[in-house]
Amino acid sequence: EPEVTQTPSHQVTQMGQEVILRCVPISNHLYFYWYRQILGQKVEFLVSFYNNEISEKSEIFDDQFSVERPDGSNFTLKIRSTKLEDSAMYFCASSRDRAGANVLTFGAGSRLTVL
Amino acid sequence: QKEVEQDPGPLSVPEGAIVSLNCTYSNSAFQYFMWYRQYSRKGPELLMYTYSSGNKEDGRFTAQVDKSSKYISLFIRDSQPSDSATYLCAIGGNMLTFGGGTRLMVKP
Repeated sequence: EPEVTQTPSHQVTQMGQEVILRCVPISNHLYFYWYRQILGQKVEFLVSFYNNEISEKSEIFDDQFSVERPDGSNFTLKIRSTKLEDSAMYFCASSRDRAGANVLTFGAGSRLTVL
Repeated sequence: QKEVEQDPGPLSVPEGAIVSLNCTYSNSAFQYFMWYRQYSRKGPELLMYTYSSGNKEDGRFTAQVDKSSKYISLFIRDSQPSDSATYLCAIGGNMLTFGGGTRLMVKP
């Protein structure tokens, strides 16, 4: 069964450092998403991406965050200058069509720990 | 006002029991209703997806939506220890809004 692959599974970084989380969505999917889950809290929407541009973003997705699809297969989330409160599980997801009309498949997540 | 509310549990039941998981939501514009299962330190895995009010059945799982009450439910029949996980309701469209999850433990 096709799956969304995320790397790294766990990253530890120092506050203020840049972090890039990588995702390989399902190959025939066109819509890509990042969600995050702070330990013990809800899964929260960050951003959706379609046709090489952001289609929607939440209030959480401020100027410290950026997304990119650099090579037609990878989908990345960059955090420019990490803060302690960025520590969370980051989930990438993809869908063939707009979510709602179709369903999201999530990856296993990348755990980010900011010290 | 919280958009999607879900009893956090934990809910502990014996094997074979019928489990009822519920969510309430506030935004009547929500159109799509999903249930995800999440095992510890894993990503959410889609279980059920519905669009309209009413019931949808898939094996031991039944999803129920009542748009007039803004209430959705997931029923698990003949629960198994392997059903032990956190169950997340998710509502919306392109941008999903998740409930906080209910932790379910099914004891052999």
